[in-house]
Amino acid sequence: DAGITQSPRYKITETGRQVTLMCHQTWSHSYMFWYRQDLGHGLRLIYYSAAADITDKGEVPDGYVVSRSKTENFPLTLESATRSQTSVYFCAAGTGKETQYFGPGTRLLVL
Amino acid sequence: QKEVEQDPGPLSVPEGAIVSLNCTYSNSAFQYFMWYRQYSRKGPELLMYTYSSGNKEDGRFTAQVDKSSKYISLFIRDSQPSDSATYLCAMIHTGGFKTIFGAGTRLFVKA
Repeated sequence: DAGITQSPRYKITETGRQVTLMCHQTWSHSYMFWYRQDLGHGLRLIYYSAAADITDKGEVPDGYVVSRSKTENFPLTLESATRSQTSVYFCAAGTGKETQYFGPGTRLLVL
Repeated sequence: QKEVEQDPGPLSVPEGAIVSLNCTYSNSAFQYFMWYRQYSRKGPELLMYTYSSGNKEDGRFTAQVDKSSKYISLFIRDSQPSDSATYLCAMIHTGGFKTIFGAGTRLFVKA
């Protein structure tokens, strides 16, 4: 049982490029979340989804776009990457908002 | 002032000690309280969650919530070197999904 997988695990890109981070869960949990983790800021919620086709903004949504056409997938797109978006990105899924199970993370470097 | 305050440590204890990890919060609307463990370069792992004031026990871990003081704690009994990690508290507002994480406390358990 793989749980949550994230791809790629590591990504280097340049300023201005579009980047999509993938998140896939094998459980079919209703709730999915995207976070970024930075030194000095900890984990901050970018977007969340309560079900397929239902998404909403979190604490730091600017510069990011999400979609959820299928329950098991929740991709995060950086429309035009900036250096400030260099971070570790975590996807999570759960049966409720209080039971969030995290993936292994994607380390993104924007040059 | 941050909504959730957590001492970053590091906290160093000998093997077998009882560890106390704490968070304070300012918003009385927080209803859900969670504790995560994060090993270096891994995703956070959900340890425990609770809704109400009082204690909740799971093996060597006990979560305590005091809503009147806006204070939560995680106790680890018989600590082991494998418990060495960063511990994150997290909270969610009533009726919402936005999860606010503490900065995390680094714990070292010496053999």
